[in-house]
Amino acid sequence: AQRVTQPEKLLSVFKGAPVELKCNYSYSGSPELFWYVQYSRQRLQLLLRHISRESIKGFTADLNKGETSFHLKKPFAQEEDSAMYYCALRYSWGKLQFGAGTQVVVTP
Amino acid sequence: KAGVTQTPRYLIKTRGQQVTLSCSPISGHRSVSWYQQTPGQGLQFLFEYFSETQRNKGNFPGRFSGRQFSNSRSEMNVSTLELGDSALYLCASSFSGAAAEAFFGQGTRLTVV
Repeated sequence: AQRVTQPEKLLSVFKGAPVELKCNYSYSGSPELFWYVQYSRQRLQLLLRHISRESIKGFTADLNKGETSFHLKKPFAQEEDSAMYYCALRYSWGKLQFGAGTQVVVTP
Repeated sequence: KAGVTQTPRYLIKTRGQQVTLSCSPISGHRSVSWYQQTPGQGLQFLFEYFSETQRNKGNFPGRFSGRQFSNSRSEMNVSTLELGDSALYLCASSFSGAAAEAFFGQGTRLTVV
């Protein structure tokens, strides 16, 4: 069965420090992976998808099929990065399997 | 371009009642998916509709049902409500449900008492 694991429930970092959110997946087919972010009192929104290979708001994520991982990284955390982050796997039409989420708190 | 709109935003129902939630997708989007979000189970997929047809279904009991209209608006119905159905219900729309980005609504907070 498909599974997405985000091992950290909470990640507390200082402003300017690097941040890495871990995501591991289990899927026998060709994965399509995403990172979604939910800022306080806002709706869930797409941050990154692996097929686009772009950097959004300084975040990058690389799909490592060997390690079945899709970790999210940013070299210098900002206070506005404080949010809930979800890793998600799409494996069928309109069907996303979400991880449990990681709450990121950036302190000044 | 207007975002995904879900109504109502908040709902309080009694056990045993039924409830209908509504989702209006972004104009031009034909795929609508529904998710249940709870503190214990996180975000779980309920079902997905495309052009009025259910293409995918999650592991929820038959009390949870949905439909999609010709204008792509979707409704979700839960019958015989249980306390455990209390959750935030999210709707997401995309152009096709395949490689397209999914846009989420603000959600409907359902409380069953």
